[in-house]
Amino acid sequence: KAGVTQTPRYLIKTRGQQVTLSCSPISGHRSVSWYQQTPGQGLQFLFEYFSETQRNKGNFPGRFSGRQFSNSRSEMNVSTLELGDSALYLCASSSGLAGVTGELFFGEGSRLTVL
Amino acid sequence: GEDVEQSLFLSVREGDSSVINCTYTDSSSTYLYWYKQEPGAGLQLLTYIFSNMDMKQDQRLTVLLNKKDKHLSLRIADTQTGDSAIYFCAEKISPYNQGGKLIFGQGTELSVKP
Repeated sequence: KAGVTQTPRYLIKTRGQQVTLSCSPISGHRSVSWYQQTPGQGLQFLFEYFSETQRNKGNFPGRFSGRQFSNSRSEMNVSTLELGDSALYLCASSSGLAGVTGELFFGEGSRLTVL
Repeated sequence: GEDVEQSLFLSVREGDSSVINCTYTDSSSTYLYWYKQEPGAGLQLLTYIFSNMDMKQDQRLTVLLNKKDKHLSLRIADTQTGDSAIYFCAEKISPYNQGGKLIFGQGTELSVKP
């Protein structure tokens, strides 16, 4: 069974640009969550999607957005990039069903560097 | 509030037991997790415990949960050099009893010396 796939793995952007990251969850998983990992702030929750609907949102500015498609694949977008957006962006999938343990399965991440 | 605290570093000798500790603040947590992250990789789920359990054992891993003190620990028996990694404790916050986000600790860097 294929794991969570994130693309691209590495990318470099400049301030003011925008970026789109993609995540393909494990087959059959309907929930996709996104996390930002930085040395200073650690792992912070961005948002969670289930059946194309945003179910939870973290405390990030509106420049961070996401969406989920009918095949459960998800994208996140960051507009007007700032230096502080440099981070490892991790996507995780789960079955997302209420009452299930809900453990997350993570991809290897997309490492974004903003210059 | 939502907060998870871990010590940042732990160094042990190969063959010894490692104990990584974690405290959390949200008493409504349903599940608590331990994840492992190796350099350049994503997070790998090691084990989890439901909040109404005190202990869970899985091969070399033992998880202890003290719900009264909101304290979680991970014991790795017979620690090997391959166990060197960063270990994250996480609690599941489940608003609306659906899905939910995880709150992660800062991670404990485990260094295993031969």
